[in-house]
Amino acid sequence: EVQLVESGGGLVQPGGSLRLSCAASGFTFSIYSMSWVRQAPGKGLELVSYISSSSTTIHFADSVKGRFTISRDNAKNSLYLQMDSLRDEDTAVYYCVRFDYSISDWGQGTLVTVSS
Amino acid sequence: DIQVTQSPSSLPASVGDRVTITCRASQSISTSLNWYQQKPGKAPKLLISGASSLQSGVPSRFSGSGSGTDFTLTISSLEPEDFATYYCQQSYSVPYTFGQGTKLEIK
Repeated sequence: EVQLVESGGGLVQPGGSLRLSCAASGFTFSIYSMSWVRQAPGKGLELVSYISSSSTTIHFADSVKGRFTISRDNAKNSLYLQMDSLRDEDTAVYYCVRFDYSISDWGQGTLVTVSS
Repeated sequence: DIQVTQSPSSLPASVGDRVTITCRASQSISTSLNWYQQKPGKAPKLLISGASSLQSGVPSRFSGSGSGTDFTLTISSLEPEDFATYYCQQSYSVPYTFGQGTKLEIK
C-alpha cells in the first residue's frame, strides 16, 4: 500500500521559514516524480513544486519561485520542501503527491499557517 | 505555461440529473487530462486519467471525453455522494496545472 506521510507544518510568522518532509513507502520511490500541491482555505488546488525521479527536472509555481526549494533523498524515500520568506498567502494545506501522468496517491496533508 | 480553464465554477443539480463539466486547455494537450473529485476535508481522489480512462473502483456513471484542447467530465445520473468539487489537471507538460474547480451543489 502506498503511503505518503507529511510532517513539518505549523504556525509561522510572515518572513519565517518551514521545512516540510514527506516519508514515502509502499512503492519504489526512486523511479517516480513527486510534487507538492497546496490548497489555501476555501480555494482550489495549486501545484507548488515538482521534482523528477532523479532531480534533473524541477519546477516551481511563479507564486513561490525564489522562496521555496524542493529536494528528495531517494536513499531515505523522502521528499522535502524548504519554504523561506513565507507570506500570509502561503497559508494552506500542503499535500505530498506521487506523480505518474496523474496523481493517484496523496498524503493526508499538513497545514501551514502564516500569521503574526 | 499551459492554462486550464474549467467551467462552470458552480453547478446546482439534483439527484438523478445528468451533468457535464468542461475543461479547456490553452494549447493542445492530446489526451493528457485528468479529473479529480474532492470532498470537504479530504484529499482529492483521481477519477479519470488520460481524458477517458476510468480508475478502478470509480462508478461507471462517471465518464470523460475529449482530446486536444476541449474535455468533458460527465456524470450520467447523480447520486447523493457525488456532490463534491471536481478539478481537471493537464499532465502534458510541466507545470501540470489544475483547473479552478467546479463545485457540484444540491439544487
